[in-house]
Amino acid sequence: AQKVTQAQTEISVVEKEDVTLDCVYETRDTTYYLFWYKQPPSGELVFLIRRNSFDEQNEISGRYSWNFQKSTSSFNFTITASQVVDSAVYFCALRTGPNTGNQFYFGTGTSLTVIP
Amino acid sequence: EAQVTQNPRYLITVTGKKLTVTCSQNMNHEYMSWYRQDPGLGLRQIYYSMNVEVTDKGDVPEGYKVSRKEKRNFPLILESPSPNQTSLYFCASSLRLGTGNTIYFGEGSWLTVV
Repeated sequence: AQKVTQAQTEISVVEKEDVTLDCVYETRDTTYYLFWYKQPPSGELVFLIRRNSFDEQNEISGRYSWNFQKSTSSFNFTITASQVVDSAVYFCALRTGPNTGNQFYFGTGTSLTVIP
Repeated sequence: EAQVTQNPRYLITVTGKKLTVTCSQNMNHEYMSWYRQDPGLGLRQIYYSMNVEVTDKGDVPEGYKVSRKEKRNFPLILESPSPNQTSLYFCASSLRLGTGNTIYFGEGSWLTVV
């Protein structure tokens, strides 16, 4: 079965703290893609990152970093020195390969509140 | 500007009154999809379309219809809306499936059925 689990429903941190959002996925495909999206209070879904299954290199973009570990089927997202503008719901998503229909599967989201 | 456009953004309607939420993309994407977002359930796929005249059911298709007569448009039709269809709806598009193309979302349509 294809599945994305975001076990953290809600997280609150104080501004400037680091925070890690967990994402665990399941798929039997060997080729797949993982994504993170941000949904600010205004409601739109903003694409943050895409990672393919053959590239386990971690990525850093400013205060954002992503840790992809195939051994644990995890694709965690860390925000360093959090800011109030980071308050949003964050979705992790899996896009499977041709063997399983090339579909997208989303986690249930993690609501992050950064307290000033 | 590349975008996915949904209309209306906000709608309150009554039970049983047919409505259509339009979705249009200007990126010549082959793949389009509709999702609904509900508290605690994340995004669930309603219908998707791999190309013109090709549509298929997602996880929660009951009560919805779609059509894909043109590549750019993918309207979502609620023939007889019910209160359990009150939700936030997203249209999305992607170049095609079978590659690692990113899926892009519209701004969302808040629908309330009373």
